[in-house]
Amino acid sequence: GAVVSQHPSWVICKSGTSVKIECRSLDFQATTMFWYRQFPKQSLMLMATSNEGSKATYEQGVEKDKFLINHASLTLSTLTVTSAHPEDSSFYICSARRDRDNQPQHFGDGTRLSIL
Amino acid sequence: AQTVTQSQPEMSVQEAETVTLSCTYDTSENNYYLFWYKQPPSRQMILVIRQEAYKQQNATENRFSVNFQKAAKSFSLKLSDSQLGDTAMYFCAFMKLRNNDMRFGAGTRLTVKP
Repeated sequence: GAVVSQHPSWVICKSGTSVKIECRSLDFQATTMFWYRQFPKQSLMLMATSNEGSKATYEQGVEKDKFLINHASLTLSTLTVTSAHPEDSSFYICSARRDRDNQPQHFGDGTRLSIL
Repeated sequence: AQTVTQSQPEMSVQEAETVTLSCTYDTSENNYYLFWYKQPPSRQMILVIRQEAYKQQNATENRFSVNFQKAAKSFSLKLSDSQLGDTAMYFCAFMKLRNNDMRFGAGTRLTVKP
């Protein structure tokens, strides 16, 4: 159980394009989802915490207008990288957790974003 | 703010041998969880083991065990009988119980050599 699906796994697009990444909890309801960014050979950096039905909480230094997060249902959160530029190229990973029992976060397989 | 420190950027071990990865953390919280995650080249984040701070007994999971020293804020991972498939990045993580905010260490790249 506790499967998190992230789509797409890899996207290449031109500079200026907006890219949407989906994160779905397949077999549980996730009131909270998290979005991370990982540069090559570095750790995961939390970008924002997404709560169902409310605005996301962004970490310091993360541009809200650049990285739009929507958590419209208990099983889906989306991250849209608006007007993407080469410096936005990175590996983005989502995670989700069930509220009960203080369960650990369950991670998606990540999305490799390459902006040309 | 919570910080997680992994002081070993890279480690290597011979197949079938034992290796210990270190992790220290800094927090003023009393209730929290600690985790070790494995990230193989496929970049999936795989939960290896977790420890509740209120439990004194060290967690074990198959060939993995931890040495949790709460007073010293230390949480090392011991891998016994290492296998080639254990080669991966290993991240130590801290999670506050209040809001499930999780922070990761910089990671240790473990290579198991044949």
